[in-house]
Amino acid sequence: DIVMTQSPDSLAVSLGERATINCKSSQSILNNSNNKNYLAWYQQKPGQPPKLLTYWASTRDSGVPDRFSGSGSGTDFTLTITSLQAEDVAVYYCQQYYSTPTFGPGTKLDVK
Amino acid sequence: QVQLQESGPGLVKPSETLSLTCIVSSGSISSYYWTWIRQPPGKGLEWIGYIYYSGTTNYNPSLKSRVTISLDTSKRQFSLKLTSVTAADTAVYYCAKGMDIFDYWGQGILVTVSS
Repeated sequence: DIVMTQSPDSLAVSLGERATINCKSSQSILNNSNNKNYLAWYQQKPGQPPKLLTYWASTRDSGVPDRFSGSGSGTDFTLTITSLQAEDVAVYYCQQYYSTPTFGPGTKLDVK
Repeated sequence: QVQLQESGPGLVKPSETLSLTCIVSSGSISSYYWTWIRQPPGKGLEWIGYIYYSGTTNYNPSLKSRVTISLDTSKRQFSLKLTSVTAADTAVYYCAKGMDIFDYWGQGILVTVSS
């Protein structure tokens, strides 16, 4: 299995400021034949199911605000939330789908 | 807009079989993959497996010996069976649309394994 790790475990950011969450895979999840990274990000609020934010590392899902952006390639990826809003408080998970899908342990984001 | 809803017993005894159903109440059930994912209380997410509308399945190797996912297109539902459960199978079980990118999810159902 490909193991996903995330850092930090938790962070607190002031409203309007930038939040950055990192994700690392135990092996490359870049498919050289199509130049795609098999990486998705999800947001999970308390008592709710996860919500898809981005896939192919950087493609935002329909309706996701453009303050959410994904980047990275190979084994290292980042989810950036510019100008944090109160409704962005949640746990964020990365997930690889290069092989049997596996998720990172999550990063809890709070308002400072 | 696809809507998914899980149903089934919230309590299962150790060594018995966990059975859950997911109803796809809007959108087409055909031409898509349908997946089960679980989340132990306070923990992360684990992919269980998927079924394609044609009936093709794929399971997490760590659960493969105990898992069966089936599909009933006439009832617009798909199901999960997990045999020989233990306390480690206590989790919120989600159904979702997609093979590897999960764009629609049910609200989840908590299943507790306890005598």
